[in-house]
Amino acid sequence: DIQMTQSPSSLSASVGDRVTITCRASHDISHYLSWYQQKLGKAPKLLIYDASNLETGVPSRFSGSGSATLFTFTISSLQPEDIATYYCQQYDNLPFTFGPGTKVDVK
Amino acid sequence: QLQLQESGPGLMRPSETVSLTCSVSDGSTSSSAYYWGWIRQTPGKGLEWIGSIYYNGRTYYNPSLKSRVTMSKDTSKSQVSLRLTSVTAADTAVYYCARQSYSGAWSRLRWFDSWGQGTLVTVSS
Repeated sequence: DIQMTQSPSSLSASVGDRVTITCRASHDISHYLSWYQQKLGKAPKLLIYDASNLETGVPSRFSGSGSATLFTFTISSLQPEDIATYYCQQYDNLPFTFGPGTKVDVK
Repeated sequence: QLQLQESGPGLMRPSETVSLTCSVSDGSTSSSAYYWGWIRQTPGKGLEWIGSIYYNGRTYYNPSLKSRVTMSKDTSKSQVSLRLTSVTAADTAVYYCARQSYSGAWSRLRWFDSWGQGTLVTVSS
């Protein structure tokens, strides 16, 4: 199985700050990576697919980049409604696997 | 707008078989553009993909659960189902169904673009 790791596991930032989350894959997954936002008590929501493509309707302050084994997710200007846990997921190889999540808080 | 709604028994006893159903609002279970996946979430193991099923019934399962999992679909009812046998406390989780994008040109299952709200399954004696 491809192992996905994320760093940091949690962070706290101020409104307006730039927030960056890193996701690493144990093997080369090309660009086959998605990012999800999960708010407390809710289902995950797709934000980014194919590493850098913004899902329709998702605010442009969210972005993704990277390839192979190293990926980055960025919130350019953190908003109060961005309080959530963010997960990466690889779909290059079965079984599909998710990262452990990064919990984002607003100071 | 697409809505997915999971339903299930809630509480199970160890060794029982749990059956979950996902109702899809727009009838797209017959579309060749999507697979339909089940993912579960626990505090300890996080998000775990269980399996995915295509409109023609083709399935892919997580090897870690394959011996206990069966997925099926009823296109006439726009429903996808999950059956998990011999449950233990380790199967206690929130179970989500989700629509999974599929590229027929590349024969590639891709991201999960719509999720149900999830249903909690608790296994306890």
